[in-house]
Order: sequence, then structure tokens, then C-alpha cells
Amino acid sequence: EDKVVQSPLSLVVHEGDTVTLNCSYEVTNFRSLLWYKQEKKAPTFLFMLTSSGIEKKSGRLSSILDKKELFSILNITATQTGDSAVYLCARISNFGNEKLTFGTGTRLTIIP
Amino acid sequence: EPEVTQTPSHQVTQMGQEVILRCVPISNHLYFYWYRQILGQKVEFLVSFYNNEISEKSEIFDDQFSVERPDGSNFTLKIRSTKLEDSAMYFCASRTGRANYGYTFGSGTRLTVV
Repeated sequence: EDKVVQSPLSLVVHEGDTVTLNCSYEVTNFRSLLWYKQEKKAPTFLFMLTSSGIEKKSGRLSSILDKKELFSILNITATQTGDSAVYLCARISNFGNEKLTFGTGTRLTIIP
Repeated sequence: EPEVTQTPSHQVTQMGQEVILRCVPISNHLYFYWYRQILGQKVEFLVSFYNNEISEKSEIFDDQFSVERPDGSNFTLKIRSTKLEDSAMYFCASRTGRANYGYTFGSGTRLTVV
């Protein structure tokens, strides 16, 4: 099975704090790792990581992949209440159809 | 920005009834998917569709499920005889064939089987 494990399962912090969310995965047929934000309904795309050690940034969010240790982190600095969501990590398999295998997600709650 | 459109947003059906969930993927996308998320659980892959045929399906996608792309724009998921455990949010997704991309998900159909 293409396992993806996220931690912590939930996190409650105060506005302005910095958070780090973790995702580990199995290497079999690994192609890339994706991060999504899920608020009420559809996951919305944040980052795609394919190469090790290259940080991707978008505003206060950043993410990096470590292909040796088989994990990725998602950092959010200066958190805001609008960052409250479930953050999903998913790996893409290296087969032609490239299905996504998701982790259970980290539920992030930002307290004003 | 192009969107994947799903209808209906919510459907309630009686156990044993057939349902069809509809999706309109982004027009230049080539790969199409259905995923589902049972309340409180992870998003799970159901099926992928490329070049007018199923390219992969999961163990969940048994004989009661089928997919079609009947007219080149719509992409449907049919559940022939619904069970209580089919209650979930069903997401359609599509992507281009290019290497550097992100999947685009639809906003989902919440299916409730009673």
C-alpha cells in the first residue's frame, strides 16, 4: 500500500504563531508530493514537490521535501484565522495514471 | 480560472436506488478521476479515466460503480444500488498530461444514503 502519514492529527495555536506540519510517505513508485488545503469542500492546491531540498514558497506558506528521509514539511508563519483548515498531503504514484494517495490530514485551528 | 464543476452539490437517496454524479472537467484536461471522502476519514481514490477508458480502479470501485464520458465534456459516476456505506463526499478531479501541474478538484457532491 502507498502509505502517507501526517502528524500531528490536529493542532491548535494562537494567531501569529508559526506551525510546522509533517508528512511521511513510502518510496515505492514515488513521483511527487502534493500539499492541499481543505476548508469546507474541495481540496485546493498549495504545492507540488518533486526534488529534494528545494523550498517552495507562497506568501507565508513554504514547503520542502526530503527524499532521503521520505518526508515533507509545510510551514505556515504568522498564522491567521483564515489558515484554519485541514491540510492534506498526497503522494503521486509513478504510474501513467498518477493517482493520488492521501494522508489523513492535519486539522489546524487558529485562535484569534 | 478554469474550474471542475460538479452537480448536484448534495444528493439524498434511498438505499438500493441508483445515483449518477456529474462532473464537467476542465476542457483541455486529459486525465479524469473520482475520489471519495467518508465523513471524518481520508480522501480515497476510486477510479482514473484516460482516453475513454478506465486506467486504474481501487478495491472500493466494485461492480456497482461505473464511469462514463458520454459526450466529450461530462464525466459521470454511477452507483447502481446504493448502500448506507456509500454516504460520502465524492470529488471529481482532472489534470492535463503535462508533468508539472496540480490536480484540479471539483467542489464535490455530498451523497447521503438513507
